[in-house]
Amino acid sequence: GESVGLHLPTLSVQEGDNSIINCAYSNSASDYFIWYKQESGKGPQFIIDIRSNMDKRQGQRVTVLLNKTVKHLSLQIAATQPGDSAVYFCAEKYGGYQKVTFGTGTKLQVIP
Amino acid sequence: NAGVTQTPKFQVLKTGQSMTLQCAQDMNHEYMSWYRQDPGMGLRLIHYSVGAGITDQGEVPNGYNVSRSTTEDFPLRLLSAAPSQTSVYFCASSSAGEKLFFGSGTQLSVL
Repeated sequence: GESVGLHLPTLSVQEGDNSIINCAYSNSASDYFIWYKQESGKGPQFIIDIRSNMDKRQGQRVTVLLNKTVKHLSLQIAATQPGDSAVYFCAEKYGGYQKVTFGTGTKLQVIP
Repeated sequence: NAGVTQTPKFQVLKTGQSMTLQCAQDMNHEYMSWYRQDPGMGLRLIHYSVGAGITDQGEVPNGYNVSRSTTEDFPLRLLSAAPSQTSVYFCASSSAGEKLFFGSGTQLSVL
């Protein structure tokens, strides 16, 4: 079946550098994409979303890029801070709102 | 606002025991759902509800029951616990089924 995957299971970055977390999706019918952040022992927390009619969306220190041609989604975090250390999930939605598929997650480690 | 509240945070069961995981939200969200999270796997949908009195199965519903008698509450019942149900369980709610608000999770071990 369709699935969402991540290229890198663990990403280590120096504090202050920019982080880029990647995600590949395989369902061309997906129309909505979300990034979540999950800190240890906590539930996932919404970061940013993007619809399929857009290719870029910016938030506070975060940017999501969507490349539908190659079915690729990325999360960019500017000036990465120790508090950004967490597991980041991408998710795609297609059709009904219960049809959301989550990726396995990328662990971001920030080196002070 | 408390958001989404899950209880208990930790639970240990013996095979065959039953229990209910509680979930409550105070955001007046119509959509609520239960997920399980296992190592190396993405969150998987167990059951969901689009409003009081309406529930439906997700990807992995076997061994679980749900009910939705009020907008606020969405309990998940394990009928006869099995070791394969050892997992972390998350409840989530949403106003439109897209941007999900998650609880802090219940870590369940079945021996």
